Amino acid sequence: AQKVTQAQTEISVVEKEDVTLDCVYETRDTTYYLFWYKQPPSGELVFLIRRNSFDEQNEISGRYSWNFQKSTSSFNFTITASQVVDSAVYFCALSEAFNSGNTPLVFGKGTRLSVIA
Amino acid sequence: EAQVTQNPRYLITVTGKKLTVTCSQNMNHEYMSWYRQDPGLGLRQIYYSMNVEVTDKGDVPEGYKVSRKEKRNFPLILESPSPNQTSLYFCASRTSGTFVDTQYFGPGTRLTVL
Repeated sequence: AQKVTQAQTEISVVEKEDVTLDCVYETRDTTYYLFWYKQPPSGELVFLIRRNSFDEQNEISGRYSWNFQKSTSSFNFTITASQVVDSAVYFCALSEAFNSGNTPLVFGKGTRLSVIA
Repeated sequence: EAQVTQNPRYLITVTGKKLTVTCSQNMNHEYMSWYRQDPGLGLRQIYYSMNVEVTDKGDVPEGYKVSRKEKRNFPLILESPSPNQTSLYFCASRTSGTFVDTQYFGPGTRLTVL
């Protein structure tokens, strides 16, 4: 069975600090996708990134970066120079990569990030 | 603009009063799905649909119904809502096929059942 663990329930940082959100996953699939979604206080789910299991290259997008390590089954998310607008709940999720049937996203329980000015 | 829409965004109702939450997408996606989000439990799938007239249960289907008469719409029906269905509900869609694409979510519907 697939499982995603986000051990950090809540994190609080001061603006401009760097912060890393941890995500550890379990799956028996050899090919799979990992995702990060952001849920701001307004409640919607905003897609941030999708990473293929066969591509371990780290990715950077502005202040956001993701570190995928298959050896430790981790897909961590780092925000550099955090801002108040980064305050949100962040979800890590997992799905199969190839399946013509139902492929529900398996979500972690989320990490609530508070950035204090 | 490509999007998934849900209505209503907020709903307060009473036990037993039937309600429908609508979901519509304009991306011609075959696959649609409903999730509920509860504190400490994350998001869990309620029902999904692979295409028109093809629906099936997810992980937590009890107390819910769905229909898929048109490709773009996937309403969630609560025939007799109960307080334990108080939750935040999300509709999602993606293209289907062997290659799994990213799911895009609607804005959410916050339901309170008194």
